[in-house]
Amino acid sequence: GENVEQHPSTLSVQEGDSAVIKCTYSDSASNYFPWYKQELGKRPQLIIDIRSNVGEKKDQRIAVTLNKTAKHFSLHITETQPEDSAVYFCAATLLTGRRALTFGSGTRLQVQP
Amino acid sequence: NAGVTQTPKFQVLKTGQSMTLQCAQDMNHNSMYWYRQDPGMGLRLIYYSASEGTTDKGEVPNGYNVSRLNKREFSLRLESAAPSQTSVYFCASSVPGLVLNEQFFGPGTRLTVL
Repeated sequence: GENVEQHPSTLSVQEGDSAVIKCTYSDSASNYFPWYKQELGKRPQLIIDIRSNVGEKKDQRIAVTLNKTAKHFSLHITETQPEDSAVYFCAATLLTGRRALTFGSGTRLQVQP
Repeated sequence: NAGVTQTPKFQVLKTGQSMTLQCAQDMNHNSMYWYRQDPGMGLRLIYYSASEGTTDKGEVPNGYNVSRLNKREFSLRLESAAPSQTSVYFCASSVPGLVLNEQFFGPGTRLTVL
């Protein structure tokens, strides 16, 4: 089955700096890679996703890049704000069959004001 | 729309007790999922249901059973709770498609087994 590794487990940045979170996946058949944000005590919520036929996707201050050859993808947050503080999860799946997500172990991002 | 709802929000059980976690969605989604979230381990799939009347095991199904009662409801049952099942349980749903697979999560059930 799929295995997703995520690094770092914790990340502390100053407000206004950029943050980068990296994930690798094992199953070359996976073709959908979402990122979820989870605030303390809340449910995970999708913030951005990318399909394997696209190398990069951007939505305001958030971007995701995908390298299919190396089987890794990254989340980039620019101009970080205190409200970006949360746990971020990457995930991978194949968009056929069960389509259940395999999650990384999460990155706790702390933005210091 | 309420989205995905779960009951109860909190539950404390003693070892050996049984209980059922309820999940319902009002988005007319075909696929539903149960995950558990443990500290430092992300979310792991317990069971999923691709459509009404079908269920299948995920990564960590031992000690659990599920029922897809209808298109809206997907319940998770612990027949004999164990301390290792202390976790936060999330239900999710999605609409099948080859373009997107956004999963919408419920608010979670925090379960403690003593």
